[in-house]
Amino acid sequence: ETGVTQSPTHLIKTRGQQVTLRCSSQSGHNTVSWYQQALGQGPQFIFQYYREEENGRGNFPPRFSGLQFPNYSSELNVNALELDDSALYLCASSPGPDTQYFGPGTRLTVL
Amino acid sequence: RKEVEQDPGPFNVPEGATVAFNCTYSNSASQSFFWYRQDCRKEPKLLMSVYSSGNEDGRFTAQLNRASQYISLLIRDSKLSDSATYLCVVNPNDYKLSFGAGTTVTVRA
Repeated sequence: ETGVTQSPTHLIKTRGQQVTLRCSSQSGHNTVSWYQQALGQGPQFIFQYYREEENGRGNFPPRFSGLQFPNYSSELNVNALELDDSALYLCASSPGPDTQYFGPGTRLTVL
Repeated sequence: RKEVEQDPGPFNVPEGATVAFNCTYSNSASQSFFWYRQDCRKEPKLLMSVYSSGNEDGRFTAQLNRASQYISLLIRDSKLSDSATYLCVVNPNDYKLSFGAGTTVTVRA
């Protein structure tokens, strides 16, 4: 196992609601990245945090926001949920900018 | 144009067969390349990094062709446990990974 944990494992929300997903990175890893994986697609990069600062962002609207804490754990917040936000949300931690190790993901369903 | 494109398959092969598939990438400045394996409804797991000289890990061989911007994966002596989706992954810059949509491989008894 990678040592990356995510919570919750599953979540059901309705349109317009807000959601917070959590990730604990592997010990010693100071970089956390978040990805969205829709059914039948590869993961799409949302953003990355390095030492509590956003280090890069993909093509996602501002209602996707994040945070990294001093212990390098991280949160992904999504406001004003839309049906298309239904996906597997993956957190990946890494000791540097390259190889990333994924957690088990949170499966979000928006009704 | 997508950053990483893969043949979705599925590749349906008997146990013991050899299966190979490619992916292409669009950013010629990409520096790092990987194959990840993803089982149904699970997270991607790193299978192997891909180096310019080509590299092997047991039954798996990866090749990189920078001139043509493609990466290949070959699986020899396929096992039932090799059934999965294989994700081609490129690091086009320092912080993000770009994933293909995956190639599905099914190994049958």
